[in-house]
Amino acid sequence: DIQMTQSPSSLSASLGDRVTITCQASQGISNYLNWYQQKPGKAPKLLIYDASNLETGVPPRFSGSGSGTDFTFTISSLQPDDIATYHCQQYGNVPVTFGGGTKVEIK
Amino acid sequence: QVLVQESGPGLVKPSETLSLTCTVSDGFFTNYYWTWLRQPPGKGLEWIGYMYFSGSTNYNPSLKSRVTMSVDASKNQFSLKVRSVTAADTAVYYCASHRDRHPDAFNIWGQGTRVTVSS
Repeated sequence: DIQMTQSPSSLSASLGDRVTITCQASQGISNYLNWYQQKPGKAPKLLIYDASNLETGVPPRFSGSGSGTDFTFTISSLQPDDIATYHCQQYGNVPVTFGGGTKVEIK
Repeated sequence: QVLVQESGPGLVKPSETLSLTCTVSDGFFTNYYWTWLRQPPGKGLEWIGYMYFSGSTNYNPSLKSRVTMSVDASKNQFSLKVRSVTAADTAVYYCASHRDRHPDAFNIWGQGTRVTVSS
């Protein structure tokens, strides 16, 4: 299985801050990488697909980059509604696997 | 608007079979892959496997010996069975799919159903 190492596991930032989360795959996955936002008690929501493509209806303050083994997810200016846990997901190999999640809180 | 509803018992006894159903709205059954995922309390997401509307499947090797997925096209339903459950199978179970995306980019989700394995 491809292991997805996501960091940090949690972070605390101020409103308006730039927030960056990284995800490293244990082997190359090209750009087969998605990012999800999950709020407590809710299903995940797709934000970024194929590493860098913004899902329809998602605010442009969210972005993703990377290819191969190293990927980055960025919130350019943290908003109150962004408080959630973020997950990366690879689908380059079966089984599909997820990172451990990053919990984003307001400082 | 896509309607997705997972259903099934919230409590299953150890060693028994967990059975869940995912009912999807018309228009999102044919030509879609439907995937089951789960999330144990306080933990990350785990991919269980997918089923195509035609009946083809692909399971997570770690669960393959205990998992069966099936489809009932007459009811727009996909089903999941997990045999010989233990406490480690306690989780929120989701069915998910894709719209205008790769089958493994899940932009359609049910609300999830919580399953507890306990005697």
